[in-house]
Amino acid sequence: DTAVSQTPKYLVTQMGNDKSIKCEQNLGHDTMYWYKQDSKKFLKIMFSYNNKELIINETVPNRFSPKSPDKAHLNLHINSLELGDSAVYFCASSQAGLAGADTQYFGPGTRLTVL
Amino acid sequence: AQSVTQPDIHITVSEGASLELRCNYSYGATPYLFWYVQSPGQGLQLLLKYFSGDTLVQGIKGFEAEFKRSQSSFNLRKPSVHWSDAAEYFCAVGGNTDKLIFGTGTRLQVFP
Repeated sequence: DTAVSQTPKYLVTQMGNDKSIKCEQNLGHDTMYWYKQDSKKFLKIMFSYNNKELIINETVPNRFSPKSPDKAHLNLHINSLELGDSAVYFCASSQAGLAGADTQYFGPGTRLTVL
Repeated sequence: AQSVTQPDIHITVSEGASLELRCNYSYGATPYLFWYVQSPGQGLQLLLKYFSGDTLVQGIKGFEAEFKRSQSSFNLRKPSVHWSDAAEYFCAVGGNTDKLIFGTGTRLQVFP
């Protein structure tokens, strides 16, 4: 049973396209996150949602729009993809809403390559 | 501002040898400290965490870490490394009202 799952695992696309990454957790957690890991493995939070409410919104271009239809799902839509968006995107979840204190459970990642 | 420094980008050890991965943090209040491990092609998995109390924390897979407030450090240790421990290790710091900040990671290679 996969706790945090993401689809797709790999995504290769052209500049200017719009794409979405989906995330689902079956842990019953209230909070979900999106992280971006760049080519140097640096991991940085992008967004967090608690019970479908946006809690953390880092300095991310507004081409990135998270959507949480329910507390078990957090999708990431990216408009007008740019070369610099190439990275691995991780979804994570935690039981409560304390991003800096809770144990976070990570999905396997989505490797996005923009050509 | 909070930050995490992992001074070693890459460490190589022989199987069976002891291991210490360094982590230094900067945080204005009482920190919440974490070590996560990322195996190739996988997401991150929590090894251990420190909130308060005993400064020596035991984690999964035989890992432990020691919180030293005076040195602002939270180093990860393992007495005997196994080949399956080869992975990327991330130290992270957070708090009750803050997001989690990750270090840049230490890549561990294990030779037979």
